[in-house]
Amino acid sequence: ETGVTQSPTHLIKTRGQQVTLRCSSQSGHNTVSWYQQALGQGPQFIFQYYREEENGRGNFPPRFSGLQFPNYSSELNVNALELDDSALYLCASSLGSGGVDIQYFGAGTRLSVL
Amino acid sequence: QKEVEQDPGPLSVPEGAIVSLNCTYSNSAFQYFMWYRQYSRKGPELLMYTYSSGNKEDGRFTAQVDKSSKYISLFIRDSQPSDSATYLCAMSDNTGNQFYFGTGTSLTVIP
Repeated sequence: ETGVTQSPTHLIKTRGQQVTLRCSSQSGHNTVSWYQQALGQGPQFIFQYYREEENGRGNFPPRFSGLQFPNYSSELNVNALELDDSALYLCASSLGSGGVDIQYFGAGTRLSVL
Repeated sequence: QKEVEQDPGPLSVPEGAIVSLNCTYSNSAFQYFMWYRQYSRKGPELLMYTYSSGNKEDGRFTAQVDKSSKYISLFIRDSQPSDSATYLCAMSDNTGNQFYFGTGTSLTVIP
């Protein structure tokens, strides 16, 4: 186990709704990254938070937004859900040493948009 | 063209076989190379982490990086049924804020 926990494990929403996914990072880690993994694909980078600030963003529209809290836990918010948003959403935490740190993944939240 | 290409398989081998998994990439800025294993309905689990070119061995697993060819490999010796999973290659430049993943190769080891 990596110590990275995500909630909920599964979620079903309808098109147009909004969703919030949560992640608790491993103890001692101050950096959280979010990825979207569609069925049969590798994880795609959404964004990263370092000490409560966004520290890089992938090719995702603004309706994907995030937050990191003082305890370094994080939220991913998705507005105006589309069918193509159905995927496994993965959170990864890392040390934030300033170098290239190993990213440790949680088990993910499986989102289904109907 | 995707930044990281990986043959999705599926790959099926008998127990005890040597398995070779490969990825190619296009971005010469990539310096850090990882292999993750992902079981069904689980998050990716780190197997190997290497920097720049060369080989790294850890038990039954060997990772190779050839930066001149932009090609990385993972070898699994004496494969076991418990190795059955999807194997993802990942890589990063020096910023480290984004990992670029391949699509994953599905491996089944038959007892």
